[in-house]
Amino acid sequence: AQSVTQPDIHITVSEGASLELRCNYSYGATPYLFWYVQSPGQGLQLLLKYFSGDTLVQGIKGFEAEFKRSQSSFNLRKPSVHWSDAAEYFCAVVPYSGNTPLVFGKGTRLSVIA
Amino acid sequence: DTAVSQTPKYLVTQMGNDKSIKCEQNLGHDTMYWYKQDSKKFLKIMFSYNNKELIINETVPNRFSPKSPDKAHLNLHINSLELGDSAVYFCASSHLAGLNTGELFFGEGSRLTVL
Repeated sequence: AQSVTQPDIHITVSEGASLELRCNYSYGATPYLFWYVQSPGQGLQLLLKYFSGDTLVQGIKGFEAEFKRSQSSFNLRKPSVHWSDAAEYFCAVVPYSGNTPLVFGKGTRLSVIA
Repeated sequence: DTAVSQTPKYLVTQMGNDKSIKCEQNLGHDTMYWYKQDSKKFLKIMFSYNNKELIINETVPNRFSPKSPDKAHLNLHINSLELGDSAVYFCASSHLAGLNTGELFFGEGSRLTVL
């Protein structure tokens, strides 16, 4: 079945440490890929997106993500996490078929400790 | 200026009641959405309107009725509320291209609690 999978429900990292959040998708063709962030009590904000081209994409707040076609993955990374990065992170796709709504993974909650 | 605003932010009500959530966007977008986020944070599309016309209607009970008086507003009315309707409802907007590009702008959510 077509899906977006975020295998980690909850991750805790120390402030200043590096971060990688995993996302895998299973669609026949490469969909459009996104990462959204939801801070506590807030709506979702787009961090970055991948449509085509360079497989390493830069986003806001110092985040980047790398598309790996061979692994059907689009992992989110940040070299040095700040306490304000504590939030829920959602990977999402728009299937290539188009005119279909954004489909979200189940999210990964990031906790940051001092 | 809030780009996508929803009211109310919190709503507590009894089973069987009817309630509405309002959404307005001042971004000039022509497409608006309602998403439901359950207690496990899973987000699922409910409806999408483009220029007041319904374009996406996922499998949602017909107790839920969206209404778009103009392209800047998309309201959600829920009849005969049930316990399982308790969730956070997010409104979002985009240009029509956003339906394909996935670039949505979300409101802060409306937390509905049904007792």
